[in-house]
Amino acid sequence: ETGVTQSPTHLIKTRGQQVTLRCSSQSGHNTVSWYQQALGQGPQFIFQYYREEENGRGNFPPRFSGLQFPNYSSELNVNALELDDSALYLCASSLRGSYGYTFGSGTRLTVV
Amino acid sequence: QKEVEQDPGPLSVPEGAIVSLNCTYSNSAFQYFMWYRQYSRKGPELLMYTYSSGNKEDGRFTAQVDKSSKYISLFIRDSQPSDSATYLCAASSMNTGFQKLVFGTGTRLLVSP
Repeated sequence: ETGVTQSPTHLIKTRGQQVTLRCSSQSGHNTVSWYQQALGQGPQFIFQYYREEENGRGNFPPRFSGLQFPNYSSELNVNALELDDSALYLCASSLRGSYGYTFGSGTRLTVV
Repeated sequence: QKEVEQDPGPLSVPEGAIVSLNCTYSNSAFQYFMWYRQYSRKGPELLMYTYSSGNKEDGRFTAQVDKSSKYISLFIRDSQPSDSATYLCAASSMNTGFQKLVFGTGTRLLVSP
């Protein structure tokens, strides 16, 4: 059984650029969530996807968007990057209705 | 006010000590409570999961939830240096129709040999 894998592990982008982060869910999981973890803080919920549709969003602007594919892999896209977007981005997969989240190791994004 | 409050620490203890980690929350709709462990440069790992009030034990770990006081605790018995990590409490409700975890800031635990 594979866990959740995220790519890339580290990324440096310039303010104003766009970035795409990728996630492969754990086998058998049909729901994927994305979280942002700033340094010294707990993860904050960005959004959740189920059956390729967004079914919940946290307090993040529309320039944060996502996709879920039929094989349950997922992407997080961030447009017009700001310095405050620098954080660890975590992908978590689960079965819908279950609280057995499996987190990936995250992508460390630095915006300069 | 944050929905889930947690002392960031660090909390330093000697090996073998009993560790008590705590959180408070403000949202009465929370029904599910979790503790995650996060090692440096890794994602959070689920340790314990409790529904509503009560205790749950798993090996050296005991989770307690007191909904009347909105208080969440994690106890670690016979702490080991390998327990050194950041411990995150999280809470959730299904009232929103989807699963959203609300995390505390995390408490950094250091267990010295």
